Amino acid sequence: DTGVSQDPRHKITKRGQNVTFRCDPISEHNRLYWYRQTLGQGPEFLTYFQNEAQLEKSRLLSDRFSAERPKGSFSTLEIQRTEQGDSAMYLCASSTEGEQFFGPGTRLTVL
Amino acid sequence: AQSVTQPDIHITVSEGASLELRCNYSYGATPYLFWYVQSPGQGLQLLLKYFSGDTLVQGIKGFEAEFKRSQSSFNLRKPSVHWSDAAEYFCAVASMKTSYDKVIFGPGTSLSVIP
Repeated sequence: DTGVSQDPRHKITKRGQNVTFRCDPISEHNRLYWYRQTLGQGPEFLTYFQNEAQLEKSRLLSDRFSAERPKGSFSTLEIQRTEQGDSAMYLCASSTEGEQFFGPGTRLTVL
Repeated sequence: AQSVTQPDIHITVSEGASLELRCNYSYGATPYLFWYVQSPGQGLQLLLKYFSGDTLVQGIKGFEAEFKRSQSSFNLRKPSVHWSDAAEYFCAVASMKTSYDKVIFGPGTSLSVIP
């Protein structure tokens, strides 16, 4: 068990470009979560998957954001037409029940 | 709505001194409570959690927290701080009444440790 991994760790992009992040959860975990953390703030919930089903999306997740977990294993988070306000750390977590285990995050900088 | 407040944005303590980080929550029922630590460039690490039972919870790295229902508080304590404890600390609350574990985080308290 190598924990939750995220790729890339850092992403710098220009405004208007699309970006995609990947999260690989702990293998036996059926629940997967995405959070966004801006500087000086705690993580904010974005969306949740149970297996391949996306069961909830936060109002923070605008139409430019889409998340998938096609086979109930890894997940991707895509941001289309990035804006400077999208600059943040994007955290992924996984769990079975109870404790969520967090990955190291992907830091996005939109220029 | 669920919410978590951490009144102290930043705290500085001397190495070896005791530490208390404050956390208050707003929730309609008894929530599940957590403390996480985040070091620069690292992911969030769970220090301890309270689900039920004994209101004094022991965690890793010598940390403990006490759940006080009457005060809606879940303060984190450590009797003697080490320089390696310098980090960002987040209190969090979750509802297990739903089918998943949506976690609401506080804004965090940044801890600095001086020699």
